[in-house]
Amino acid sequence: QVQLVQSGAEVKKPGASVKVSCKASGYTFTSYGISWVRQAPGQGLEWMGWISAYNGNTNYAQKLQGRVTMTTDTSTSTAYMELRSLRSDDTAVYYCARGRDYPDYWGQGTLVTVSS
Amino acid sequence: DIQMTQSPSTLSASVGDRVTITCRASQSISSWLAWYQQKPGKAPKLLIYKASSLESGVPSRFSGSGSGTEFTLTISSLQPDDFATYYCQQYNSYFVTFGPGTKVDIK
Repeated sequence: QVQLVQSGAEVKKPGASVKVSCKASGYTFTSYGISWVRQAPGQGLEWMGWISAYNGNTNYAQKLQGRVTMTTDTSTSTAYMELRSLRSDDTAVYYCARGRDYPDYWGQGTLVTVSS
Repeated sequence: DIQMTQSPSTLSASVGDRVTITCRASQSISSWLAWYQQKPGKAPKLLIYKASSLESGVPSRFSGSGSGTEFTLTISSLQPDDFATYYCQQYNSYFVTFGPGTKVDIK
């Protein structure tokens, strides 16, 4: 069965970076891309971007350009999302999901808290 | 970016009610629209893609319709498990965007 398992919760100080991992299983990793979506407390869903697991092509939300980097490691079927220069409004649950257009399987979410 | 709006923002309904949620795009997105259900503390669940295609395993009481800029999600007979927040999402453009969500709660 398809599973996406994310790394654990993180607490970071403003200005720091965070790197969240997403390990995929149950399907051919390079056949699908991985999307990243975040959700601030009590708020809606925000698309962050997408990476092709086939060739590493990326597509980032304009508001995060320059602060976010998405990568994959095909040898371990793992996707990564790094966000730099963290601010308090980056506090959110971060989700990885399979596919770009309409992601069908989602990770369990990783809470990233940015606080001094 | 294409902006998505949803109405209503909150909907109070009873078990057995027919429920309709509307999603509008700021420009035409053809049929490139998906619907998700999200419960508190859980990841979103894909319900509908390409405006009206039901995802495998999703009950048939869920249906989607529309094209261009106006779309609807209909739940034909609301069940206790359906109380949740629903999001539309467009994937017509290079940048994917979600609607703000519609919370369906118990009347």
